[in-house]
Amino acid sequence: QAGLTQPPSVSKGLRQTATLTCTGNSNNVGSHGATWLQQHQGHPPKLLSYTNNNRPSGISERFSASRSGNTASLTITGLHPEDEADYYCSAWDSSLSARVFGGGTKLTVL
Amino acid sequence: EVQLVESGGGLVQPGGSLRLSCTGSGFTFSIYSMNWVRQAPGKGLDWVSYISSSSSKIHYADSVRGRFTISRDNAKNSVYLQMDSLRAEDSAVYYCARADADYWGPGTLVTVSS
Repeated sequence: QAGLTQPPSVSKGLRQTATLTCTGNSNNVGSHGATWLQQHQGHPPKLLSYTNNNRPSGISERFSASRSGNTASLTITGLHPEDEADYYCSAWDSSLSARVFGGGTKLTVL
Repeated sequence: EVQLVESGGGLVQPGGSLRLSCTGSGFTFSIYSMNWVRQAPGKGLDWVSYISSSSSKIHYADSVRGRFTISRDNAKNSVYLQMDSLRAEDSAVYYCARADADYWGPGTLVTVSS
């Protein structure tokens, strides 16, 4: 099954802002929105944003999600060292009747 | 607090079978769809299967269709993945994930090797 498109890597400096993108199509991101997940090495994925772009309880306001057409974005402001992780987007694809994931973006905080 | 816990992973020979279980707590399990997602070492997330809240809708990734079977028991707050005809490429950490892949369990490791 075809997946969502994410840049493989993004590097930003401490306290800077990083914007991660996730591109799909009208059958997935465009119609159902995307979930954003953070994964540190050796740990399971952790929810950062629901498909409606709301944050779950306990997630810092530094993380904000948005969507424009078939592209979802996750913006992380004031980067901290602990933000260094892999970030995945996910959406239901109504054409494939499958959940699709992006390949993940490795965020490096310099 | 939403919690999901997987079990049943282990080492199995090619062609063998395993049954994974996932038990949920901290939410009304019976009203949520559930997914199984896997992650091979050093790789990204790979969706495996979906089951709706009432089990009326079930979907599989092409790579596992005909070999894996998803089911659930809402009375036990549990979802299962029966994995048959296992192959080396099925080796991965298997996670259960709620609905829109919002909450995840810690995962269970499946290794298919002779």
